[in-house]
Order: sequence, then C-alpha cells, then structure tokens
Amino acid sequence: QKEVEQNSGPLSVPEGAIASLNCTYSDRVSQSFFWYRQYSGKSPELIMSIYSNGDKEDGRFTAQLNKASQYVSLLIRDSQPSDSATYLCAVNIRGGSQGNLIFGKGTKLSVKP
Amino acid sequence: IAGITQAPTSQILAAGRRMTLRCTQDMRHNAMYWYRQDLGLGLRLIHYSNTAGTTGKGEVPDGYSVSRANTDDFPLTLASAVPSQTSVYFCASRPRGGSTDTQYFGPGTRLTVL
Repeated sequence: QKEVEQNSGPLSVPEGAIASLNCTYSDRVSQSFFWYRQYSGKSPELIMSIYSNGDKEDGRFTAQLNKASQYVSLLIRDSQPSDSATYLCAVNIRGGSQGNLIFGKGTKLSVKP
Repeated sequence: IAGITQAPTSQILAAGRRMTLRCTQDMRHNAMYWYRQDLGLGLRLIHYSNTAGTTGKGEVPDGYSVSRANTDDFPLTLASAVPSQTSVYFCASRPRGGSTDTQYFGPGTRLTVL
C-alpha cells in the first residue's frame, strides 16, 4: 500500500516566523511531488511542485526534496495569518495509471498575529 | 466557464436515491479525476479518466460509476446512495504535457445522504 504521511497538526507559528511542513512517502520510484493549500470549505490549490532533489523557491515558499530519504518539505518564510490553512502533500504513483496522485491527510497550519 | 465547474454545490439526498454529480472543464485537459474528502481520511481517488472514452478505478470505487463521453465532461453517479457516501466530492483535471502530474481542482460538491 503506497502511502503519504504528514503530521496532522495543528502547527501553530507566530506571524513572521518560518513554518516547516513535512511529508514522507513510501514509494521509492515516485518522481513528482506537490504541495496544495486548502482553506476551510474550499478546494485544494496548487502552490508548489518539485521533481528533483534539492530546494525550489517561489516567493515565500521553498519546497525541499530528498528522494534518498523519501522526504519532502515545505517552508513558509515570514508566515502571515492568511497562510493559515491545511497543507496537503501529494506524490505521484507508478505501477498504476500515470498521473495519479496519492495525498497525505494534510497538516493544519495556524499563524497567530 | 473558466476552469473546472461542479454541480450541484451541495445536495441532501435520501438513502437509496440515484444521484449524478457533474463536472465540466473548459481547459481541454486530457485527464480527469473524482475524489472524496472525509475528515481524518484526506482525499481519496474514486475514479479517473486519462482521456475521453477511457476510465479507471481509484482507491474507493465501490458504489460509484463514471463515464467520459467527451473531453470536457466527467459525471460521477451514485446508483443507490448510502449514508457512508456523505462527503465532499472534488473533481480535478490534468493537462497533457509539461508538468504532467499537476492536477487542478474544482470547487467541490458537498453531499449529505440521510
């Protein structure tokens, strides 16, 4: 059973701090990794994708991938109250239909003013 | 229409009734997906379609059926609804090429089966 694991949280950080969200996955051959943000009552919204080991930065967001450790993380710098949401990690799966993703259960982030 | 639309936005349904959730995208994306999201269980794939005319089963397909007659539409049918199908249902689509695994989500349908 291929799995994606995340801490459910809630993760609480003060405004302006760095929020660190973590995700591990079980399928060693996964090649594509995604972070989605989901506000309460809304649909998931893609914020980052990463395919190669190392860091990928986009504004205040940095995704980090370590395939050897089967670990992907999302750092949010200068956290804002508007970042308060649930963050979903998603990983593609191989051996099944190309393009299918497995989602973690999400980490709820709360940024306190 | 811009992106993915789903209908209805919400629905309360009596157990045993038949229900079709609609999903339409205008981005000419090849692949489409149906997920359900339940508290504590996250997003789970019900059915998918990689291209018009083909469909496949996801993690939790029982009690659901889909069809893909054309590129734009991917309806999800509950033949005889049961209370355990109470959930929020999201449709998603994926373009061909580029970041081939990136999926984009519709706004969701909140379904309550009594």
